[in-house]
Amino acid sequence: GAVVSQHPSWVICKSGTSVKIECRSLDFQATTMFWYRQFPKQSLMLMATSNEGSKATYEQGVEKDKFLINHASLTLSTLTVTSAHPEDSSFYICSARDAVGFYEQYFGPGTRLTVT
Amino acid sequence: GQQVMQIPQYQHVQEGEDFTTYCNSSTTLSNIQWYKQRPGGHPVFLIQLVKSGEVKKQKRLTFQFGEAKKNSSLHITATQTTDVGTYFCAGRNGGTSYGKLTFGQGTILTVHP
Repeated sequence: GAVVSQHPSWVICKSGTSVKIECRSLDFQATTMFWYRQFPKQSLMLMATSNEGSKATYEQGVEKDKFLINHASLTLSTLTVTSAHPEDSSFYICSARDAVGFYEQYFGPGTRLTVT
Repeated sequence: GQQVMQIPQYQHVQEGEDFTTYCNSSTTLSNIQWYKQRPGGHPVFLIQLVKSGEVKKQKRLTFQFGEAKKNSSLHITATQTTDVGTYFCAGRNGGTSYGKLTFGQGTILTVHP
């Protein structure tokens, strides 16, 4: 099956610093990638949708200047949390949609971000 | 905007008992997907339902899509401890097969041996 990787799997950073999370589709081309945020025992909240080669579409309430998304190629999207604060601590999950097929989304293993 | 409600939030069962989670959308869906997330893991795709009234089975799991394409259910027969996890439904907006997914809140299933 299709595999999506995320790096790092967990990261601890100090308040005010920036953190970059990578999402890669390993064995397929992903024209669209999605970034979700999940708090403990809660659902996945879509943050933004990124299409290769174009600007990301952010959901209402998500600050685009704080959560920078770049989708430079069909296999890589990055999420940069800028000037992180403790309230940004969360589980960030990316998913990628195959360019063909019935648009099943494949999820990465997630990145646990802790801001101290 | 579109809302997808899922109940119950928690379900505790004894091994061997059946389990059902229900999903309701405020709008008509083009399709609905189901995912399972094990504790500490990420969501894993289970199935997609597209047609009105569709019923699909995967071993002990039965998935249904309502006639109005606004609700869905997942039923597990004779639960096993390996069924533990959170089950999410995720609906796509009506009229498109590639719109964004809206996830339900999830049902956390605990199976006691």
